[in-house]
Amino acid sequence: RKEVEQDPGPFNVPEGATVAFNCTYSNSASQSFFWYRQDCRKEPKLLMSVYSSGNEDGRFTAQLNRASQYISLLIRDSKLSDSATYLCVVNKETGRRALTFGSGTRLQVQP
Amino acid sequence: DTGVSQDPRHKITKRGQNVTFRCDPISEHNRLYWYRQTLGQGPEFLTYFQNEAQLEKSRLLSDRFSAERPKGSFSTLEIQRTEQGDSAMYLCASSLRSDEQFFGPGTRLTVL
Repeated sequence: RKEVEQDPGPFNVPEGATVAFNCTYSNSASQSFFWYRQDCRKEPKLLMSVYSSGNEDGRFTAQLNRASQYISLLIRDSKLSDSATYLCVVNKETGRRALTFGSGTRLQVQP
Repeated sequence: DTGVSQDPRHKITKRGQNVTFRCDPISEHNRLYWYRQTLGQGPEFLTYFQNEAQLEKSRLLSDRFSAERPKGSFSTLEIQRTEQGDSAMYLCASSLRSDEQFFGPGTRLTVL
């Protein structure tokens, strides 16, 4: 089983749609969770950290379910500029700095 | 530019040659990380420095790979006797206190 699993997609959605991605992780000791965004042939960029209480940043909402070991990302009112690959990221274990990345979910927002 | 910088951006080499990449982190960041990314995959952790100390190494980091951060500022990653399987994007990231890591543009290595 992969340490972090994501549906690779692609998710093709029209502008203005709401889209949700889920990700599962295998290590129950993981303490830090993130969503990164990666555009084609560019470096990953931090989109948002994911806290136990969930967090929202504009059109983006992230949720963490520790019991089921999954993380979600909800994007509302999709824009063309949201087209990218979204990477689910967890730290390997408490006290370790290494991050484990999922393979990413590709989103294509269409006009 | 106050972000993470990497040099070179592209490197083409022949199998068996040695290559060295450089990373300059965000200036106040004391943590520095190296990752490798191949097409269709997320970045894979290679190694981590806190200041000049190398504190974590992945088993992916074979004997042919070595990383240094001699003065706790910039870092170098050297690959000796390159193999075609080393072809990838090598990403450097840095952070200050949290696990939120900020990535550089990467060095794309092609081994012929």
